[in-house]
Amino acid sequence: DQQVKQNSPSLSVQEGRISILNCDYTNSMFDYFLWYKKYPAEGPTFLISISSIKDKNEDGRFTVFLNKSAKHLSLHIVPSQPGDSAVYFCAARFSGNTGKLIFGQGTTLQVKP
Amino acid sequence: DVKVTQSSRYLVKRTGEKVFLECVQDMDHENMFWYRQDPGLGLRLIYFSYDVKMKEKGDIPEGYSVSREKKERFSLILESASTNQTSMYLCASSRYEKLFFGSGTQLSVL
Repeated sequence: DQQVKQNSPSLSVQEGRISILNCDYTNSMFDYFLWYKKYPAEGPTFLISISSIKDKNEDGRFTVFLNKSAKHLSLHIVPSQPGDSAVYFCAARFSGNTGKLIFGQGTTLQVKP
Repeated sequence: DVKVTQSSRYLVKRTGEKVFLECVQDMDHENMFWYRQDPGLGLRLIYFSYDVKMKEKGDIPEGYSVSREKKERFSLILESASTNQTSMYLCASSRYEKLFFGSGTQLSVL
């Protein structure tokens, strides 16, 4: 039972354009949502997060949108750069939990020069 | 900066061997985690620990055990390695909602 789903395994975008990565979840008890970025042969690194009481969080070129009624979140990268090419994981945390995160399957983003 | 160090980047073991994966964090975090990453499956939680000598099973604990004798160190043990345990293993520690990961250990079981 996949509680956090990333239905697009891959995405290809031209440099300078917007990248939109999507994530769906099933459990209303998640209180935080996070995005991680992973390069090959490296561990994931934290990118941006959003609390379940908010609907938008922005950090530079990265914005995360949360739609609780649809149980959907998205990561927007504007403008996209070739160095953004990586695997992006969506993750969710149960409220009151000890920090355990449930991850999606990942989306591989390729930004073409 | 938080540093999570995994003892090996690459490891090759034989079926049936006992395998130890070591992880050390330097930020005095209470919580530590072991995940494995497989293509198309994302990161799946094997075990986590929220205090010394405390552990809880994650989503896929079968075939694994863990040890946390000191706050900074969390070890993953494969009691009898099998080929389906070939994977990228990632250790993490957490502060609040944010996990900090090590560089990972790519384990191949032949």
